[in-house]
Amino acid sequence: DIQMTQSPSTLSASVGDRVTITCRASQSISSWLAWYQQKPGKAPKLLIYKASSLESGVPSRFSGSGSGTEFTLTISSLQPDDFATFYCQQYHSYPWTFGQGTKVEIK
Amino acid sequence: QVQLVESGGGVVQPGRSLRLSCVAAGFTFSSYSMHWVRQAPGKGPEWVAVISKDGSIQYYTDSVRGRFSISRDNSKNTLYLQMNSLGAEDTAVYYCAREQGSSGRYEIIAYWGQGTLVTVSS
Repeated sequence: DIQMTQSPSTLSASVGDRVTITCRASQSISSWLAWYQQKPGKAPKLLIYKASSLESGVPSRFSGSGSGTEFTLTISSLQPDDFATFYCQQYHSYPWTFGQGTKVEIK
Repeated sequence: QVQLVESGGGVVQPGRSLRLSCVAAGFTFSSYSMHWVRQAPGKGPEWVAVISKDGSIQYYTDSVRGRFSISRDNSKNTLYLQMNSLGAEDTAVYYCAREQGSSGRYEIIAYWGQGTLVTVSS
Protein backbone atom coordinates (compact mmCIF):
# COMPACT_ATOMS: atom_id res chain seq x y z
CA ASP A 1 0.00 0.00 0.00
CA ILE A 2 1.11 3.59 -0.66
CA GLN A 3 1.70 5.54 2.54
CA MET A 4 0.95 9.27 2.63
CA THR A 5 2.74 11.43 5.18
CA GLN A 6 1.69 15.03 5.87
CA SER A 7 3.56 17.74 7.70
CA PRO A 8 3.07 19.49 9.94
CA SER A 9 0.36 17.74 11.97
CA THR A 10 -0.75 21.04 13.45
CA LEU A 11 -0.17 24.56 12.23
CA SER A 12 -0.94 27.78 14.07
CA ALA A 13 -1.46 30.78 11.82
CA SER A 14 -3.16 34.16 11.65
CA VAL A 15 -5.66 35.57 9.19
CA GLY A 16 -3.76 36.81 6.16
CA ASP A 17 -0.83 34.42 6.59
CA ARG A 18 0.53 32.33 3.74
CA VAL A 19 0.25 28.68 4.73
CA THR A 20 1.96 25.66 3.18
CA ILE A 21 1.22 22.00 3.93
CA THR A 22 3.40 19.18 2.61
CA CYS A 23 2.41 15.65 1.64
CA ARG A 24 4.87 12.89 0.76
CA ALA A 25 4.01 9.57 -0.89
CA SER A 26 5.97 6.39 -0.16
CA GLN A 27 6.28 5.77 -3.92
CA SER A 28 5.59 7.74 -7.06
CA ILE A 29 1.93 8.54 -7.66
CA SER A 30 2.52 10.79 -10.68
CA SER A 31 0.01 13.63 -10.20
CA TRP A 32 -2.83 11.52 -8.81
CA LEU A 33 -3.17 13.47 -5.60
CA ALA A 34 -6.09 15.34 -4.09
CA TRP A 35 -6.45 17.74 -1.18
CA TYR A 36 -9.54 17.90 1.02
CA GLN A 37 -10.68 20.31 3.72
CA GLN A 38 -12.76 19.00 6.60
CA LYS A 39 -14.61 20.83 9.35
CA PRO A 40 -15.97 19.13 12.48
CA GLY A 41 -19.06 17.01 11.87
CA LYS A 42 -18.90 17.48 8.11
CA ALA A 43 -17.77 15.36 5.18
CA PRO A 44 -14.48 16.25 3.53
CA LYS A 45 -14.66 18.86 0.78
CA LEU A 46 -12.56 18.50 -2.38
CA LEU A 47 -10.22 21.44 -2.95
CA ILE A 48 -7.56 20.28 -5.40
CA TYR A 49 -7.32 17.25 -7.71
CA LYS A 50 -4.63 15.95 -10.01
CA ALA A 51 -2.12 17.71 -7.74
CA SER A 52 -2.80 21.24 -9.02
CA SER A 53 -6.31 21.50 -10.50
CA LEU A 54 -8.70 23.67 -8.52
CA GLU A 55 -12.14 22.16 -7.96
CA SER A 56 -15.01 24.28 -9.23
CA GLY A 57 -16.20 26.81 -6.67
CA VAL A 58 -13.06 26.66 -4.53
CA PRO A 59 -11.43 30.06 -3.88
CA SER A 60 -8.30 30.82 -5.87
CA ARG A 61 -6.27 31.39 -2.69
CA PHE A 62 -5.94 27.60 -2.59
CA SER A 63 -3.32 26.08 -4.86
CA GLY A 64 -1.52 22.77 -5.18
CA SER A 65 1.76 21.69 -6.68
CA GLY A 66 4.09 18.74 -7.00
CA SER A 67 4.38 15.40 -8.72
CA GLY A 68 5.94 12.02 -8.06
CA THR A 69 6.30 11.81 -4.29
CA GLU A 70 6.33 15.43 -3.04
CA PHE A 71 3.29 17.68 -2.97
CA THR A 72 2.23 20.94 -1.38
CA LEU A 73 -1.02 22.73 -0.64
CA THR A 74 -0.72 26.50 -0.31
CA ILE A 75 -3.24 28.97 1.04
CA SER A 76 -2.04 32.37 -0.16
CA SER A 77 -3.89 34.45 2.44
CA LEU A 78 -5.57 32.55 5.25
CA GLN A 79 -9.20 33.49 5.82
CA PRO A 80 -11.39 32.88 8.92
CA ASP A 81 -13.32 30.17 7.06
CA ASP A 82 -10.11 28.24 6.35
CA PHE A 83 -9.47 27.04 9.89
CA ALA A 84 -10.03 23.33 9.51
CA THR A 85 -8.20 20.04 8.98
CA PHE A 86 -6.67 19.31 5.60
CA TYR A 87 -5.98 15.86 4.13
CA CYS A 88 -4.06 14.70 1.11
CA GLN A 89 -5.13 11.51 -0.66
CA GLN A 90 -3.58 9.43 -3.41
CA TYR A 91 -5.71 7.85 -6.12
CA HIS A 92 -2.91 6.35 -8.17
CA SER A 93 -3.68 2.81 -7.07
CA TYR A 94 -5.97 0.86 -4.75
CA PRO A 95 -6.23 0.89 -1.85
CA TRP A 96 -6.55 4.66 -1.94
CA THR A 97 -4.86 6.19 1.08
CA PHE A 98 -5.09 9.47 3.00
CA GLY A 99 -2.51 11.42 4.90
CA GLN A 100 -2.97 11.72 8.65
CA GLY A 101 -4.15 15.32 8.38
CA THR A 102 -2.96 18.85 9.16
CA LYS A 103 -5.03 20.90 11.56
CA VAL A 104 -4.83 24.63 10.89
CA GLU A 105 -5.52 26.54 14.08
CA ILE A 106 -5.92 30.19 14.92
CA LYS A 107 -2.72 31.69 16.31
CA GLN B 1 -27.90 18.55 -7.55
CA VAL B 2 -26.07 15.44 -6.39
CA GLN B 3 -27.59 13.88 -3.30
CA LEU B 4 -26.30 10.86 -1.42
CA VAL B 5 -28.23 9.69 1.62
CA GLU B 6 -26.85 6.90 3.79
CA SER B 7 -28.82 4.78 6.22
CA GLY B 8 -28.47 1.60 8.22
CA GLY B 9 -25.99 2.66 10.86
CA GLY B 10 -26.43 1.99 14.54
CA VAL B 11 -25.07 0.08 17.50
CA VAL B 12 -24.12 -3.54 16.83
CA GLN B 13 -22.42 -6.18 18.95
CA PRO B 14 -18.96 -7.48 18.04
CA GLY B 15 -19.09 -10.35 15.56
CA ARG B 16 -22.48 -9.34 14.19
CA SER B 17 -23.42 -7.99 10.76
CA LEU B 18 -24.88 -4.77 9.42
CA ARG B 19 -25.87 -3.54 5.97
CA LEU B 20 -25.54 0.09 4.99
CA SER B 21 -27.49 1.66 2.14
CA CYS B 22 -26.96 4.84 0.15
CA VAL B 23 -29.69 6.25 -2.06
CA ALA B 24 -28.45 8.51 -4.85
CA ALA B 25 -30.33 11.29 -6.63
CA GLY B 26 -29.65 14.17 -8.96
CA PHE B 27 -27.45 12.26 -11.41
CA THR B 28 -27.36 9.11 -13.54
CA PHE B 29 -26.30 6.62 -10.88
CA SER B 30 -25.32 3.89 -13.33
CA SER B 31 -22.72 6.17 -14.97
CA TYR B 32 -20.44 6.47 -11.95
CA SER B 33 -18.19 4.29 -9.87
CA MET B 34 -19.10 4.59 -6.20
CA HIS B 35 -17.12 4.38 -2.97
CA TRP B 36 -17.46 3.88 0.75
CA VAL B 37 -15.12 5.87 2.99
CA ARG B 38 -15.13 5.69 6.78
CA GLN B 39 -13.81 7.87 9.56
CA ALA B 40 -13.25 6.63 13.08
CA PRO B 41 -13.86 9.12 15.90
CA GLY B 42 -11.04 11.65 16.02
CA LYS B 43 -9.20 10.05 13.10
CA GLY B 44 -8.70 10.85 9.44
CA PRO B 45 -10.74 9.36 6.60
CA GLU B 46 -10.05 5.78 5.52
CA TRP B 47 -11.03 4.58 2.07
CA VAL B 48 -12.98 1.29 2.34
CA ALA B 49 -14.18 0.06 -1.05
CA VAL B 50 -15.12 0.94 -4.62
CA ILE B 51 -17.50 -0.60 -7.12
CA SER B 52 -17.55 -0.05 -10.87
CA LYS B 53 -20.50 1.42 -12.76
CA ASP B 54 -21.99 -1.96 -13.63
CA GLY B 55 -21.00 -3.62 -10.37
CA SER B 56 -18.64 -6.11 -11.98
CA ILE B 57 -15.43 -4.85 -10.33
CA GLN B 58 -14.78 -4.19 -6.64
CA TYR B 59 -11.71 -3.29 -4.63
CA TYR B 60 -11.32 -3.21 -0.86
CA THR B 61 -8.88 -1.96 1.70
CA ASP B 62 -6.94 -4.78 3.34
CA SER B 63 -8.60 -4.50 6.76
CA VAL B 64 -12.09 -5.25 5.44
CA ARG B 65 -11.42 -7.63 2.54
CA GLY B 66 -13.25 -10.90 3.15
CA ARG B 67 -15.58 -9.31 5.73
CA PHE B 68 -17.21 -6.44 3.83
CA SER B 69 -18.96 -6.56 0.47
CA ILE B 70 -19.85 -3.57 -1.69
CA SER B 71 -22.72 -3.89 -4.16
CA ARG B 72 -25.18 -1.74 -6.07
CA ASP B 73 -28.63 -1.87 -7.59
CA ASN B 74 -28.69 0.54 -10.51
CA SER B 75 -32.44 0.09 -10.94
CA LYS B 76 -32.92 1.46 -7.43
CA ASN B 77 -30.10 4.05 -7.52
CA THR B 78 -28.76 2.43 -4.37
CA LEU B 79 -25.31 1.50 -3.12
CA TYR B 80 -24.80 -1.05 -0.36
CA LEU B 81 -22.11 -2.11 2.09
CA GLN B 82 -22.59 -5.49 3.77
CA MET B 83 -20.43 -5.65 6.85
CA ASN B 84 -19.82 -9.00 8.57
CA SER B 85 -17.75 -10.05 11.59
CA LEU B 86 -17.71 -6.52 12.90
CA GLY B 87 -15.14 -5.48 15.47
CA ALA B 88 -14.51 -2.41 17.58
CA GLU B 89 -12.03 -1.21 14.95
CA ASP B 90 -14.94 -0.83 12.51
CA THR B 91 -16.58 1.87 14.64
CA ALA B 92 -16.78 4.93 12.40
CA VAL B 93 -18.91 7.27 10.37
CA TYR B 94 -19.40 5.62 6.99
CA TYR B 95 -19.70 7.89 3.96
CA CYS B 96 -21.07 7.01 0.57
CA ALA B 97 -19.20 8.91 -2.14
CA ARG B 98 -19.31 9.54 -5.88
CA GLU B 99 -16.46 10.17 -8.26
CA GLN B 100 -16.04 13.53 -9.93
CA GLY B 101 -16.30 12.22 -13.49
CA SER B 102 -17.73 9.17 -15.22
CA SER B 103 -14.64 7.83 -16.98
CA GLY B 104 -14.10 5.21 -14.30
CA ARG B 105 -10.32 5.72 -14.23
CA TYR B 106 -8.27 8.16 -12.18
CA GLU B 107 -11.39 9.92 -10.98
CA ILE B 108 -11.35 11.51 -7.53
CA ILE B 109 -14.16 11.57 -5.00
CA ALA B 110 -15.99 14.89 -5.28
CA TYR B 111 -19.37 14.21 -3.69
CA TRP B 112 -20.06 12.82 -0.23
CA GLY B 113 -23.14 11.87 1.73
CA GLN B 114 -23.74 13.08 5.26
CA GLY B 115 -22.51 9.81 6.72
CA THR B 116 -24.04 7.17 8.97
CA LEU B 117 -22.49 6.20 12.31
CA VAL B 118 -21.69 2.57 13.04
CA THR B 119 -20.79 1.73 16.62
CA VAL B 120 -19.54 -1.74 17.43
CA SER B 121 -19.94 -2.36 21.13
CA SER B 122 -21.19 -4.98 23.52
